[in-house]
Amino acid sequence: QKEVEQDPGPLSVPEGAIVSLNCTYSNSAFQYFMWYRQYSRKGPELLMYTYSSGNKEDGRFTAQVDKSSKYISLFIRDSQPSDSATYLCAMSSRALMNRDDKIIFGKGTRLHILP
Amino acid sequence: ETGVTQTPRHLVMGMTNKKSLKCEQHLGHNAMYWYKQSAKKPLELMFVYSLEERVENNSVPSRFSPECPNSSHLFLHLHTLQPEDSALYLCASSLLAGVPYEQYFGPGTRLTVT
Repeated sequence: QKEVEQDPGPLSVPEGAIVSLNCTYSNSAFQYFMWYRQYSRKGPELLMYTYSSGNKEDGRFTAQVDKSSKYISLFIRDSQPSDSATYLCAMSSRALMNRDDKIIFGKGTRLHILP
Repeated sequence: ETGVTQTPRHLVMGMTNKKSLKCEQHLGHNAMYWYKQSAKKPLELMFVYSLEERVENNSVPSRFSPECPNSSHLFLHLHTLQPEDSALYLCASSLLAGVPYEQYFGPGTRLTVT
């Protein structure tokens, strides 16, 4: 079983719709969860970061973590064409990095917001 | 444009060539990273440097050799690469190594090995 599973898409939704992006994982040691956005020909940029379970909101974006189900979500409200990008989930078991730590990324979901 | 720059942006090299990728950050960060991004595969962390000392090497083949002469510069030296090494190589930096310190990524070097 892969450590992190993410549907690659593409996911196409009309402008203004609510978008739901998801990742599942197998390693129960993961405690730090991140969502990155990557535009074409650019490096990823951090969107949201959450620790352990619960919700976190930032403007139109909400990150949700359900550790009991090993499932994380990113919701985008009032989606805009400028939200069209690839969204990567990432997770880690520890904060500061040492030789035993990893940051594991999903493959990314390509999102298209249709005007 | 972010505070992390990478050169060159595109590189084509033969399997017997030796080349180097360069990364520079202007953010005053103390940690720098090399990632490999291949089509249809997850982003893979290759190397992590914290205060110029390597703290992570995810079993990367020895044909990739990193160098961090100071906290602002990071190199990836390449030699005798294979076609499967063709990918986007991303550099990132953060204030300290690991989460929750936000990583700032450069635009990447698109490498093609022929």
